[in-house]
Amino acid sequence: GENVEQHPSTLSVQEGDSAVIKCTYSDSASNYFPWYKQELGKRPQLIIDIRSNVGEKKDQRIAVTLNKTAKHFSLHITETQPEDSAVYFCAASPNSGYALNFGKGTSLLVTP
Amino acid sequence: ETGVTQSPTHLIKTRGQQVTLRCSSQSGHNTVSWYQQALGQGPQFIFQYYREEENGRGNFPPRFSGLQFPNYSSELNVNALELDDSALYLCASSLVGRDEQFFGPGTRLTVL
Repeated sequence: GENVEQHPSTLSVQEGDSAVIKCTYSDSASNYFPWYKQELGKRPQLIIDIRSNVGEKKDQRIAVTLNKTAKHFSLHITETQPEDSAVYFCAASPNSGYALNFGKGTSLLVTP
Repeated sequence: ETGVTQSPTHLIKTRGQQVTLRCSSQSGHNTVSWYQQALGQGPQFIFQYYREEENGRGNFPPRFSGLQFPNYSSELNVNALELDDSALYLCASSLVGRDEQFFGPGTRLTVL
């Protein structure tokens, strides 16, 4: 089955700096890669996603890149703010709307 | 448009007991997936329901079972509870053929 590895497990940045979280996946059939943000005690919220026919996608301060050959994808957050502090999860899925295989999460702390 | 809701929010059970968790999908969504999230881990796929039938299953034993109703709401049943079943149980709804899955707030199950 699919195995998703996520790094780093914790990340601390100063407000205004950029943050990068990286994930690798094992199943070459995976074609959908979402990123979720989970604040303490709350539900995971979809923040950005990318399909395998696209190499990069951007939404304001958030961007995701995908390298299908190397089977890795990354989340980039620019101009970080304290409210970006949360746990971020990457995931991979082989079929639309089917099982998401999650990484173990990255705890991001943005200090003022 | 209403979001995904789950009940109850918290539940405490003892080993060997049975539990039923409930999920109402987002308006218009016909597919429900269930995930188990242990403390400090990413969500793990349990199973998915579409058109009241199980549409795929993760690596969970048969004592984890589910139902989907004609209004697309769903139940997760766990028999013979074990201590390791203590976790946050999340449901996510989606439209068949669409990538995005939207999570409910979860049910925190504690098994003593």
